[in-house]
Amino acid sequence: DAGVTQSPTHLIKTRGQQVTLRCSPKSGHDTVSWYQQALGQGPQFIFQYYEEEERQRGNFPDRFSGHQYPNYSSELNVNALLLGDSALYLCASSLMGRVDEQFFGPGTRLTVL
Amino acid sequence: QQQVKQSPQSLIVQKGGISIINCAYENTAFDYFPWYQQFPGKGPALLIAIRPDVSEKKEGRFTISFNKSAKQFSLHIMDSQPGDSATYFCAATLGDQTGANNLFFGTGTRLTVIP
Repeated sequence: DAGVTQSPTHLIKTRGQQVTLRCSPKSGHDTVSWYQQALGQGPQFIFQYYEEEERQRGNFPDRFSGHQYPNYSSELNVNALLLGDSALYLCASSLMGRVDEQFFGPGTRLTVL
Repeated sequence: QQQVKQSPQSLIVQKGGISIINCAYENTAFDYFPWYQQFPGKGPALLIAIRPDVSEKKEGRFTISFNKSAKQFSLHIMDSQPGDSATYFCAATLGDQTGANNLFFGTGTRLTVIP
C-alpha cells in the first residue's frame, strides 16, 4: 500500500499565477482533507472532500478551490497566487468521520516568487 | 484565533530524559486530541491520541495526560532517544453532524534529543 501520495513534490510559481496540486488517498479511504503548513507553523485546515463535495471549509479565501474525483483522488487549486501562499500543502485521507485513522501525505512544497 | 496553544516552541533533552510538551484549548466541544510527529520533509504522522473521557493514555514510551477541567493536555516522552528528534504537534477536533471534521493544530515543538 503506497499510502497517501502527492504530486508534485516541489513547485515554484510567480505571483498572480495559478497552481494545481494533486493527491491520491490511501487505498480504501474515501475522504480527503487539505492543509496549509507555513514554515515553522502547524498545519491549517483548508477544506475536506467526501463524495465529490466540499464538506467543511477552513478560513481560506475563494482563491482556494478543490475537487474530488470518483476514484477519491483530489486536487487543490489556488488562483492569483500571493507571496504568502508559499507553504507546504498537505493532503490527508481517511474514511468519513474517522479522523483517528487519518493519514498525511508528504506534502507539496510551493514557493511563490 | 489560535484554537490550540502549544509550548514550548523548542525543547532540548538529554538521551534517557523525559520530554514534556504542553497544549491548551478553548473549545469545550473538542472530542479528540491527537499528537503528531513530523520529520523534515515528511507529513505529520499520528503518534498517540486521547478522548476526553479518560485522563491518561500510555503507548510504549509515549503518554498523554489530559486535564478536562483545565482544558489542557500534555505529551510525555519517557527515555527520550535521538531518534525522537522531530517536531511534535498537538491537535484537537470535533465532528459535525455529517461526520466531517477538521484538525486544529498547535504551532509545534521542535524536540532535540542530545546523545
